[in-house]
Amino acid sequence: GAVVSQHPSWVICKSGTSVKIECRSLDFQATTMFWYRQFPKQSLMLMATSNEGSKATYEQGVEKDKFLINHASLTLSTLTVTSAHPEDSSFYICSASIQDTIYFGEGSWLTVV
Amino acid sequence: QKEVEQDPGPLSVPEGAIVSLNCTYSNSAFQYFMWYRQYSRKGPELLMYTYSSGNKEDGRFTAQVDKSSKYISLFIRDSQPSDSATYLCAMSSYTGGFKTIFGAGTRLFVKA
Repeated sequence: GAVVSQHPSWVICKSGTSVKIECRSLDFQATTMFWYRQFPKQSLMLMATSNEGSKATYEQGVEKDKFLINHASLTLSTLTVTSAHPEDSSFYICSASIQDTIYFGEGSWLTVV
Repeated sequence: QKEVEQDPGPLSVPEGAIVSLNCTYSNSAFQYFMWYRQYSRKGPELLMYTYSSGNKEDGRFTAQVDKSSKYISLFIRDSQPSDSATYLCAMSSYTGGFKTIFGAGTRLFVKA
């Protein structure tokens, strides 16, 4: 199957700082990528849809100025959590769609201290 | 009513048992149906993908889709402790743009 790589796998940052998470499609071009957030023992919550060369589409309730998404190329989308706070600590997962199927990255654990 | 309903479990079975995981949905526009397996602290891994109604088999896994009943299933034969994970159903449609909806996930424990 298609491979989606996510980096870093885990990151700890201080409150008030910003952290960037990268999502790459390794063996295919992804015009659309998705960013999810997942709390422990809960399902995936779609945060935004990232479209190559255009602005991301955010789901209701997701602050676009806090969660900056950039999809600069067909193989890379980035999520930047700005001015992070402890409540932003979570598991962030990206995915890319190819031929009507979604493939996920390994996820990134963010801990804000 | 949620678009996709999935019992969160947990479901505990002995090793070797046949496991049945299910989801129901309400939107008849869904055309593509997937099952993902997610181990703790990992991203979901695609297990099965089916288009429209019917059965699909891959090793110990069988996916069934019944569009008339809006019901999908995943069967795991000869379950192993390594199958212990959370299983997420998902379904997609192109109506109003490509959209994928995920179930809440069922936590499965296979006891040795």
